[in-house]
Amino acid sequence: DVKVTQSSRYLVKRTGEKVFLECVQDMDHENMFWYRQDPGLGLRLIYFSYDVKMKEKGDIPEGYSVSREKKERFSLILESASTNQTSMYLCASSFGRRNTGELFFGEGSRLTVL
Amino acid sequence: KNEVEQSPQNLTAQEGEFITINCSYSVGISALHWLQQHPGGGIVSLFMLSSGKKKHGRLIATINIQEKHSSLHITASHPRDSAVYICAQLPNTGNQFYFGTGTSLTVIP
Repeated sequence: DVKVTQSSRYLVKRTGEKVFLECVQDMDHENMFWYRQDPGLGLRLIYFSYDVKMKEKGDIPEGYSVSREKKERFSLILESASTNQTSMYLCASSFGRRNTGELFFGEGSRLTVL
Repeated sequence: KNEVEQSPQNLTAQEGEFITINCSYSVGISALHWLQQHPGGGIVSLFMLSSGKKKHGRLIATINIQEKHSSLHITASHPRDSAVYICAQLPNTGNQFYFGTGTSLTVIP
């Protein structure tokens, strides 16, 4: 069974803390994505990667960075968490240079920043 | 600007009813996806379409490329169909998906 696994389902952090969210996929997919999901706004793309060490900014990259050192792992980093980064974070992966395959999502990580 | 609009935003149905959720988009696409999200977060892919119609069990997805419109139909709805349904499109250019804000479906026994 194919899988996208996110490291934490629920996190509570304090303002200014560094936050790591990890995502691992076991399908040898080229493409991996980080989204945040907020009520009424739908899914918004933070960053995506189409190959190891490659990354592209999405619609809302400010305050975030990413790392993809291995094909199966895509990490989202909040260098200094702020309360407006409280959200549900979803990782996804897909196959193919042009995202021609099905989208697979992780279970999500709900982050609360106090 | 690339826009994806879903309707309705919220939908309540009696068990057994036929349900239709609509998705309209503004640019030419390579593919359109229908996704399902149950309470608790996890999203699963239901369909990926580039033309025509697909069926899986009680779910049917159709797309009209010329009209830039897709529909998701659920026949003989059941309370376990209660979820948020999201359409996502991949434009002809670029490799970023664009998402609708979702349709929240509640099926009452």
